[in-house]
Amino acid sequence: KNQVEQSPQSLIILEGKNCTLQCNYTVSPFSNLRWYKQDTGRGPVSLTIMTFSENTKSNGRYTATLDADTKQSSLHITASQLSDSASYICVVGEQTGANNLFFGTGTRLTVIP
Amino acid sequence: KAGVTQTPRYLIKTRGQQVTLSCSPISGHRSVSWYQQTPGQGLQFLFEYFSETQRNKGNFPGRFSGRQFSNSRSEMNVSTLELGDSALYLCASVSSGSSYNEQFFGPGTRLTVL
Repeated sequence: KNQVEQSPQSLIILEGKNCTLQCNYTVSPFSNLRWYKQDTGRGPVSLTIMTFSENTKSNGRYTATLDADTKQSSLHITASQLSDSASYICVVGEQTGANNLFFGTGTRLTVIP
Repeated sequence: KAGVTQTPRYLIKTRGQQVTLSCSPISGHRSVSWYQQTPGQGLQFLFEYFSETQRNKGNFPGRFSGRQFSNSRSEMNVSTLELGDSALYLCASVSSGSSYNEQFFGPGTRLTVL
């Protein structure tokens, strides 16, 4: 069964600290993996998209890694800011004609001053 | 380029009523996907439309329906509303120009069923 699991479910960190969010998936055949940031009450915004040939991708203070062999990805946030408080959603695309996407339930990050 | 717009942003209905939500994709995008998001469930795929045709459908009851117009604008309809339909409904405009069909989400419509 194609699944995407994220950990932790929630996380509280101090402003300025780094953190890492995890995503494990069983989606096969794999096409791509995306990380989205979703502010409360808003739509998700894409942070990174990686295909199987990419193992690292950065977007400012956000760095995503992908290990297609172990089917794991992580999102590292450097020098966190209050505005990083949001839910982070991992989405895995299946390489089929339907281009199915499988969504994790997200990690809720709270950055406190 | 203007982003994805969804109307209305907030909606309050009572059980048994029906509701229609609207989504205007990014100009030039011909594909629109709809999702339901509830706390703890994450995003659940409803359906996808491409060039006025439903191309993919999620596992939702027939009370949920949608359509797409020739200008790529899309609507989704929920009939006979239930309390459990309270959720954030998100529309995603899909770019077919990349190899992985990048999705751009709208701000969502917050539906509350009383």
